[in-house]
Amino acid sequence: AQSVTQPDIHITVSEGASLELRCNYSYGATPYLFWYVQSPGQGLQLLLKYFSGDTLVQGIKGFEAEFKRSQSSFNLRKPSVHWSDAAEYFCAVGGGSQGNLIFGKGTKLSVKP
Amino acid sequence: DTAVSQTPKYLVTQMGNDKSIKCEQNLGHDTMYWYKQDSKKFLKIMFSYNNKELIINETVPNRFSPKSPDKAHLNLHINSLELGDSAVYFCASSPRPLESGELFFGEGSRLTVL
Repeated sequence: AQSVTQPDIHITVSEGASLELRCNYSYGATPYLFWYVQSPGQGLQLLLKYFSGDTLVQGIKGFEAEFKRSQSSFNLRKPSVHWSDAAEYFCAVGGGSQGNLIFGKGTKLSVKP
Repeated sequence: DTAVSQTPKYLVTQMGNDKSIKCEQNLGHDTMYWYKQDSKKFLKIMFSYNNKELIINETVPNRFSPKSPDKAHLNLHINSLELGDSAVYFCASSPRPLESGELFFGEGSRLTVL
């Protein structure tokens, strides 16, 4: 069955520090992979996506993610975190004919001054 | 212009009542979705419509009934509300059943059942 695991429920980093949010997936075929961000009281906004090609993808707000097929991972990174990055981050996998996205349970990011 | 808009944004009601949430998208997309986000932030698909036709119907109580009058609108009607229905409901759209696209989300409708 398709699934997405985000092992970290809550991460706190200092402003200016680097960030890596982990995501592992289980999918029978080549997955389409996504990272979404949800600010408090808001809907979800797409940060970046991977369909094929270069395994390192760039997204908005300075985020990037790397697809590693051997590890079934799609970790999100940012070299220097800003206070405005505090939010909930969701990894998702899709690609079925019905077009559904399956989400991980999210990682809450807190940023210390 | 808001791409995917939901109304109302907040809804507080008593158990047993019937309520509706409306969703409209102006992106010209063919496919629309309803997702439920529970108190632990877990997002789960409920329904999906492609060009007014139901294509995904997850295990959802039949008290929940989606209606798509046209491909720009997908409404969610809930009968006999229960405490466990309290959640944030997100509408989303995509250009076609998601094989290579992304979902565009509305801002959510927070339903509180007392």
